[in-house]
Amino acid sequence: DGGITQSPKYLFRKEGQNVTLSCEQNLNHDAMYWYRQDPGQGLRLIYYSQIVNDFQKGDIAEGYSVSREKKESFPLTVTSAQKNPTAFYLCASRGIAFADTQYFGPGTRLTVL
Amino acid sequence: AQSVTQLDSQVPVFEEAPVELRCNYSSSVSVYLFWYVQYPNQGLQLLLKYLSGSTLVESINGFEAEFNKSQTSFHLRKPSVHISDTAEYFCAVSERDNTDKLIFGTGTRLQVFP
Repeated sequence: DGGITQSPKYLFRKEGQNVTLSCEQNLNHDAMYWYRQDPGQGLRLIYYSQIVNDFQKGDIAEGYSVSREKKESFPLTVTSAQKNPTAFYLCASRGIAFADTQYFGPGTRLTVL
Repeated sequence: AQSVTQLDSQVPVFEEAPVELRCNYSSSVSVYLFWYVQYPNQGLQLLLKYLSGSTLVESINGFEAEFNKSQTSFHLRKPSVHISDTAEYFCAVSERDNTDKLIFGTGTRLQVFP
C-alpha cells in the first residue's frame, strides 16, 4: 500500500529533552511538509522540503529542525528550545505536478511532561 | 498575504438534516481551494478541491462545494448528513502560481446527533 507513515503515534518526553518524529512516504513524492496542530488554531507550517538535501522554514520553525537525506524520509526534531512542544504533529507529501494535492500521514501526538 | 476564515468553530446538526460549513478566503492572486476532513486522532483526508472549470465540485460521499469568486467563498454543503460525518473540516487555499504551500483555516467541528 502506498502512503505516509508517522511513528510513533503517541510520544511522551520530559521537558528539556530533544525528540525526533519520523515521517516516511512511499508515494515517490518530491515535496514533504511538517505541520503542527493545536486546538482551535488549524494547521501551522513548521518546515517543508521540495527536494532532497534542501528545506525551507515555515511560519513557526523556531525550536524545530529537519533533515532530508532521502526522498522518502523527512524527520522532525523538536528541540528543547521549543517553548510549548505539546501538540499534534502532521506530516504531508505532494507530487511535483502543478496543483498536486498534499496527502497527510496519521499524525504523532507529542506530550511533554 | 493569503488567509482563510472559517467563521463557525462548531456546527451541531441532527442526522438527515442539511448542513453548510462556511469558508471565506482572502488573496490578491488567483487560488486553488480545498476541503479536508479529519476524524479524531487521525491525519487529514482530501474531501474535494477546486482547480478550474465548473465552480461546483463534488465528493464521492455526498458533499459539494461551490467556488464563488465575487464573494471569495468556498462553502461546503451536504443535503443530508449521517452520524459518520462527525469530524473536523478544514478549508485551505494555495496560490495558482505557487502551489507549494497550503494556508489552512482554523477548522469547523461538525457534530451530527441522532
